[in-house]
Order: sequence, then structure tokens, then C-alpha cells
Amino acid sequence: AQKVTQAQTEISVVEKEDVTLDCVYETRDTTYYLFWYKQPPSGELVFLIRRNSFDEQNEISGRYSWNFQKSTSSFNFTITASQVVDSAVYFCALSEARSGGSNYKLTFGKGTLLTVNP
Amino acid sequence: DAGVTQSPTHLIKTRGQQVTLRCSPKSGHDTVSWYQQALGQGPQFIFQYYEEEERQRGNFPDRFSGHQFPNYSSELNVNALLLGDSALYLCASSPALAGRSVGGTEAFFGQGTRLTVV
Repeated sequence: AQKVTQAQTEISVVEKEDVTLDCVYETRDTTYYLFWYKQPPSGELVFLIRRNSFDEQNEISGRYSWNFQKSTSSFNFTITASQVVDSAVYFCALSEARSGGSNYKLTFGKGTLLTVNP
Repeated sequence: DAGVTQSPTHLIKTRGQQVTLRCSPKSGHDTVSWYQQALGQGPQFIFQYYEEEERQRGNFPDRFSGHQFPNYSSELNVNALLLGDSALYLCASSPALAGRSVGGTEAFFGQGTRLTVV
């Protein structure tokens, strides 16, 4: 069975600080996808990043960066120079890869509430 | 380009009643998934529809059923409502992966329907 653990329930930072959100996952699949989603108070889940299990290269996209380490089953997400608008609940999610047909289901962690104070 | 739209946005029902929630996928998407998100928790996968058939199902009782129409829109029906069914119900759409060897495209979510059972 798949499982995603986000140990940090809440994080509070002051604007312009860097913040890292932790994610640890469990799966028996050799091929899988990892995602980060953001959920503002409006409720809609907003896609941020995706990484497949074959690619451990860490990247930076604007103020976002991620650190994928297969050896420790971790997929951490960093926001650089945080802003008040970054305040939201952040979810890490895991999906199997499958051939053809539809996407497989997403397994979510419980989320981390990030509050960025001015 | 309209994203994923869900209706209604809020709903209050009495225990034992039945409810129908609706979802229109993002343009170009033909796969619809439904998730239940209890307060303070991550979304939990209910089921997924593709080509008007239920393709995958999470750990939810038969009281939860769905349908997909030829225009790819979908309905989620819940019978014999319980207090514990109170949650945010999220619809997600994604394109099918027919013809591709490996899946993993991101799902786009609607703003959800907040269901309160009293």
C-alpha cells in the first residue's frame, strides 16, 4: 500500500524567510510519480510540481525548489524568500505509473499549514 | 479556458438523505476522479471514471456511486447520508494516457463542494 507522511502539521515564518516542507513516502512500486499541491482557503488544489521516480535531479523553478532522494524516500519542497501569498496548506502526493488508459489515483499526505507573516 | 467546475459550492443535507454533486472537467480532459477531504485531512480517493466506466475505486462503501456522461462530465451520488460524510468533495480531471507507455500527468482540481450533514 502507498503512504505519504508530512510530519510538519503547521509552520509559521516571517516574510522573506526560506521554508522547507518535508515529505516521506512509502511504495512498493518501482515506477511512481510525486507531486506537490497547494490549497489556499478557497479550497481548490493547485498543482505545483511533479517528479517521476526515474529522475532524481533536483530543480529550481522561480522561488520553488525540490529535493528528491530515493534512498531516503523523501521529496522535500522549499520556498525561497516566502511571501504572504504563499500562506496555504501544502500537500505532498504519490501516484503509481501505469501504462495506457487513465491516470492512477493520488495518495495524499495530511498536509502542512504554512503561515507567512508580514 | 474554463478549468474544472463543480456545483453546488455548498450544500446542507439531513442524515439519511441522498445527495448528487456535479463536475465538469477541464477542456480536453476525459478522466474524472472524485476525492473526499475531511476537515484537517488530506483528500481521500473515492473513484475514477474514464470512458463512462468506473475504472478505479478507493475504500468507500457502496453508498457512494457515480456516473460519467458522454461529454465527460460526472456526478457523485451519496445515499443514506451519515454525519461522517460531511466533508469537502473535490473533483479532479486529467487527460487519458492512451497510447503512452507511462502515466503521470497532473490532475486539475475544482474548488469543491462543501457538504454538511446535520
